[in-house]
Amino acid sequence: SQTIHQWPATLVQPVGSPLSLECTVEGTSNPNLYWYRQAAGRGLQLLFYSVGIGQISSEVPQNLSASRPQDRQFILSSKKLLLSDSGFYLCAWTRLAGTGELFFGEGSRLTVL
Amino acid sequence: KNEVEQSPQNLTAQEGEFITINCSYSVGISALHWLQQHPGGGIVSLFMLSSGKKKHGRLIATINIQEKHSSLHITASHPRDSAVYICAEGGETSGSRLTFGEGTQLTVNP
Repeated sequence: SQTIHQWPATLVQPVGSPLSLECTVEGTSNPNLYWYRQAAGRGLQLLFYSVGIGQISSEVPQNLSASRPQDRQFILSSKKLLLSDSGFYLCAWTRLAGTGELFFGEGSRLTVL
Repeated sequence: KNEVEQSPQNLTAQEGEFITINCSYSVGISALHWLQQHPGGGIVSLFMLSSGKKKHGRLIATINIQEKHSSLHITASHPRDSAVYICAEGGETSGSRLTFGEGTQLTVNP
């Protein structure tokens, strides 16, 4: 069966520090991968999506970046965090673009102080 | 760009009530997803549908392609149904992107 893991679950970081959130998918190959952010009381905002290794599409210009070094690994990074980067980050995957069932990771709650 | 709107934004019900959450979108889609987000933040997929109706336990999802509208119904609601319900569309022209509604906060009181 397919599973998705995301870590760390909780993170408290000072402004200006780097960030690395990791997501891995098991039990499937060539998934479409997504990073979403959910600010407090707000809806899900798509940050990045990837249809294959090394292929990253950015939806929102910001100081975050994403990478897909392996088929089932998706990493969200920042060199210098801002206060506005605080939020709940979710990794997700589908088999087929927009038509496959969505599977979400457990989420990572980031607080930037 | 497809716009996805949900209503109501907040909904409070008494245990046992029939609940309906609505989702409208502006552009033709390939699939409509209903998701459930619990207070801890985790999200699970409830339904994915492109036509007609799907049922799972006390949950029913319907979609009307012509009217660009979908509904999520909960029969015999229970306090454990309290969560945020989110609809999302996988558009015909959106490629690999999904567009999400803002979510409906449902609270079911005992």
